[in-house]
Amino acid sequence: QVQLVESGGGLVKPGGSLKLSCAASGFTLSDYYMNWIRQAPGKGLEWISYISSRGTPIYHADSVKGRFTISRDSAKNSLFLQMNSLRAEDTAVYYCARAPVGAMIDEPLFDFWGQGTLVTVSS
Amino acid sequence: QSALTQPASVSGSPGQSITIPCTGTSSDVYAYNYVSWYQQHPGKAPKLMIFHVSNRPSGVSNRFSGSKSGKTASLTISGLQVEDEADYYCSSYTSTTTGIFGTGTKVTVL
Repeated sequence: QVQLVESGGGLVKPGGSLKLSCAASGFTLSDYYMNWIRQAPGKGLEWISYISSRGTPIYHADSVKGRFTISRDSAKNSLFLQMNSLRAEDTAVYYCARAPVGAMIDEPLFDFWGQGTLVTVSS
Repeated sequence: QSALTQPASVSGSPGQSITIPCTGTSSDVYAYNYVSWYQQHPGKAPKLMIFHVSNRPSGVSNRFSGSKSGKTASLTISGLQVEDEADYYCSSYTSTTTGIFGTGTKVTVL
């Protein structure tokens, strides 16, 4: 069955870097739009990045543009999020999520989610 | 618009029906039938409950239904059960930016 498992979260100092991973099973990751969505403690959902099934287009929200980079490795069937120049406001649970076939570009429709990985940015 | 507007909380007794509104603008909810709803239990990942305004994914109870009128989409939960107590988020495609989420509604079963 479809499964997404995130890893790589943890405690990092402001200005530091982390790389999140999302291992997919039960489907071929490169056949789908894949996404990163985050949720700050006690707050709502924020869609921060996606990569299309073809590799482009790629989207990054203004809040992370220039600091975060989404990528994937088809051989590993995995999605990644490289996070640089981290700030306190980046503290959140980060979810990877799949968009179903047929979802429109820029449509916030996600049929499977991982369990999330917590990133804490603090000195 | 940075987020769709939802009430902070909605409550109901077991067996009752409740409706959660999600208000947008002429650039999102009004103009497109690309509204989805997610259920999130504490400490868990969101789960897709409704897509394209009123469609249920396989496995989602038919007690959950969606609709839209004008700039407001709604999620109705019929026959409210204890396990329905969770946070609910709407989302919509928008012509002005990448798709947006609602502010979230906490459903309490009294």
